[in-house]
Amino acid sequence: EAQVTQNPRYLITVTGKKLTVTCSQNMNHEYMSWYRQDPGLGLRQIYYSMNVEATDKGDVPEGYKVSRKEKRNFPLILESPSPNQTSLYFCASRDTGGQTEAFFGQGTRLTVV
Amino acid sequence: AQSVTQLGSHVSVSEGALVLLRCNYSSSVPPYLFWYVQYPNQGLQLLLKYTSAATLVKGINGFEAEFKKSETSFHLTKPSAHMSDAAEYFCAVSPYGNNRLAFGKGNQVVVIP
Repeated sequence: EAQVTQNPRYLITVTGKKLTVTCSQNMNHEYMSWYRQDPGLGLRQIYYSMNVEATDKGDVPEGYKVSRKEKRNFPLILESPSPNQTSLYFCASRDTGGQTEAFFGQGTRLTVV
Repeated sequence: AQSVTQLGSHVSVSEGALVLLRCNYSSSVPPYLFWYVQYPNQGLQLLLKYTSAATLVKGINGFEAEFKKSETSFHLTKPSAHMSDAAEYFCAVSPYGNNRLAFGKGNQVVVIP
């Protein structure tokens, strides 16, 4: 079954404690991205990756890092989380070509206290 | 940058009535356009997409959307709302030749019995 898997689904952490949200896809897609979803703001892109070792900033990259060492994995790293990063995060992957469907993970609800 | 506008963050519709969600995009070149749906506590899934093959696009669950270049619009409709249509709906745009996917702010649809 084609899927994007994110872990964890829920996470409560304290300010400044480094965390990683994992994302893995089994569709051999080259393009992967991270979004955050906030009420009234829709989904905003944090980072994206065109392929292994090729990452770039999206619209709201401050406070986040990513890496793409393998095609299937695209972890999101918060080195020093702050309360304004409390949000719902989604990982997505799609085949290259703007007309292709994006597949989304189930989401990670992060609370930073 | 490509963008989409969705008006009316919350939309209430009576069961059996027409569902109409509006989406306008900003681009001089028609992009690829998508509608995604998000059910509670789930990721996003594709409802339908426009890729220039046909201006009237049919999707899942009885939804359809019409691409109108002159109006730069891609409105989503369903003739008769069902209780199961209660969800958040997002319009998204992917510029021609580009893999990035930009989302509107979403419409939270409430179906009234």
